[in-house]
Formats: sequence, C-alpha cells, structure tokens
Amino acid sequence: ETGVTQSPTHLIKTRGQQVTLRCSSQSGHNTVSWYQQALGQGPQFIFQYYREEENGRGNFPPRFSGLQFPNYSSELNVNALELDDSALYLCASSSPTDMNTEAFFGQGTRLTVV
Amino acid sequence: AQSVSQHNHHVILSEAASLELGCNYSYGGTVNLFWYVQYPGQHLQLLLKYFSGDPLVKGIKGFEAEFIKSKFSFNLRKPSVQWSDTAEYFCAVNWKAAGNKLTFGGGTRVLVKP
Repeated sequence: ETGVTQSPTHLIKTRGQQVTLRCSSQSGHNTVSWYQQALGQGPQFIFQYYREEENGRGNFPPRFSGLQFPNYSSELNVNALELDDSALYLCASSSPTDMNTEAFFGQGTRLTVV
Repeated sequence: AQSVSQHNHHVILSEAASLELGCNYSYGGTVNLFWYVQYPGQHLQLLLKYFSGDPLVKGIKGFEAEFIKSKFSFNLRKPSVQWSDTAEYFCAVNWKAAGNKLTFGGGTRVLVKP
C-alpha cells in the first residue's frame, strides 16, 4: 500500500462524454502528478499539481484538465472523450521540497471509452 | 525531447535463470533513475532508485541496477529469478532540469516459467 488512493477503479464512458477521476495523495505529500498508461505502453506524464497550481504539463490537449484542492487531493477531468482515451490513469504523489524523492503511485483508474 | 528506451518488450525465462533488462535514456543533464514493477492487477511499485553516489544500486526482492553515465544506461539485474517475478518492469527517468516529473520507458513484460 502506498497511501495513494484513486477512484473509481473502473469506468466505462461513451465517446463525447466527460469524465472526472479522483486521487487522494499520501499523507505529507503536496504534489500530485497524473499519468496515462495505454495498453502495452509505459505511463505518460499528463500534468502535475503543486499547491493547487498546475506545475508542468505533458503533451496532452487542453481537454485534459485538473484541479488540486487545499487538502492536496486532485481531480483529472477529460472532456469530449475519444476512443483513444481508453487507458489506465495513474496518480502519483511526491514531496517537491526534495528533488531526490520518489513518487508513490495509486492503483489507477481504468477508463474504457466506447 | 527526452526519451527512455527499454530494449526488450518481452522476456521469457525459467526459474533460477538470471535476468537483465536494459534501459537507456537521452542526454539532458543530471538525472534521477528508477525501476518500477507492476505485478498483474497491482499498482506500480518502486524496485530501486538512483540519485547519486555508488552507481550500483540494490533494491527490493534481490534486484540491483547499475548506472553507467557514459552509456546513459541503467540496467536492471537479478541473479536468480522466481516465478513470482512475473510482472512488467518499467525504467523511469527524472531529468532534474525538467522538474519533478517522470519519463517512462515502454516497459518489459517478464514471464518466469516454473
């Protein structure tokens, strides 16, 4: 157990719909990163939130957006879902005050877009 | 763009055999290096990490990795695998200049036959 929890664990949505995924970070961590892991591939960085502000973004379109709350939990929102958005979405928390630190991952949310 | 490549997509071996998984990354300055493992149905778990110091790093479950700076490599090894090592293994790199995000390789799926 890493202390990072994600919900829901599985989700099926229809193309064009919107989805919100949730993540609670490990105690003491104020940075949350989101990754997309398509089938057969390694996780790809979507974006990171630090103290409620976006702190870096990968190569994902604006329909991928996020939020971080004062308790450091986070949401990932995806609008206008496409079939290619089907993937495992991973949340990771870390402490940014020390660059030499590891990220702790949640179990992921498996999103299927039909 | 910075990239991480893992040499093998699939590896099949018998119990007690030795395992070595290759990982190379592109130049981009100072790096932190990680190997993660993903057992079937479980979250990403950290096997080992390198931040600085001794380039031979020992991790959990008998795994070790060697950082060779001149070759931009961070290969994972285990002298004698067990059936329980069946999993997918990911190399990940954090380029310090790019902030606190991870770039993953495509993963290597390892099957250990009993």
